[in-house]
Amino acid sequence: AQKVTQAQTEISVVEKEDVTLDCVYETRDTTYYLFWYKQPPSGELVFLIRRNSFDEQNEISGRYSWNFQKSTSSFNFTITASQVVDSAVYFCALPRGNMLTFGGGTRLMVKP
Amino acid sequence: SQTIHQWPATLVQPVGSPLSLECTVEGTSNPNLYWYRQAAGRGLQLLFYSVGIGQISSEVPQNLSASRPQDRQFILSSKKLLLSDSGFYLCAWSWLAGDHNEQFFGPGTRLTVL
Repeated sequence: AQKVTQAQTEISVVEKEDVTLDCVYETRDTTYYLFWYKQPPSGELVFLIRRNSFDEQNEISGRYSWNFQKSTSSFNFTITASQVVDSAVYFCALPRGNMLTFGGGTRLMVKP
Repeated sequence: SQTIHQWPATLVQPVGSPLSLECTVEGTSNPNLYWYRQAAGRGLQLLFYSVGIGQISSEVPQNLSASRPQDRQFILSSKKLLLSDSGFYLCAWSWLAGDHNEQFFGPGTRLTVL
């Protein structure tokens, strides 16, 4: 069975702080993908990144970076120098066939 | 480019009334289509998905139904709404079935059942 756990339900930081959102997953597949989505207050889910299990290189996109560690089944997301516009709920997801297994989400609040 | 539309954006309905939410995708053919529900403060629950016209798979037993009358149109319906049907309904599409295909989401419909 597939499972995604985001243990941090809510995180509050002050602008310009760095913040890391944790994601731990369970799967029996030997190759798989992982996604991150952002859900701003408007409600629409915005796709952020896709990683596959055979590429453990960290990915960086501007202030966003992702750390994939297959040995610990984790795919953590770091925002550097957070901004108020980063305030949102962030979901980690594990796809399999037609299905996406989502984590429960982490609500990030960035205060000015 | 591809876009996904949902309407209405918000809806307030009395218990026992019918429901029809519509989702359309532009700029692609033969997409996989999905309906999700997100209850307040909770995660996403997959309700239905469709791999083609007239092909609907249900993930959760409930009083909702889905239909796909056209390739890029996906409709969520109910004959009689329950209070527990309140939530945020999201439609999504993906290119093909497969583990590497991300799903792209619409703006959502916020449904309140009173």
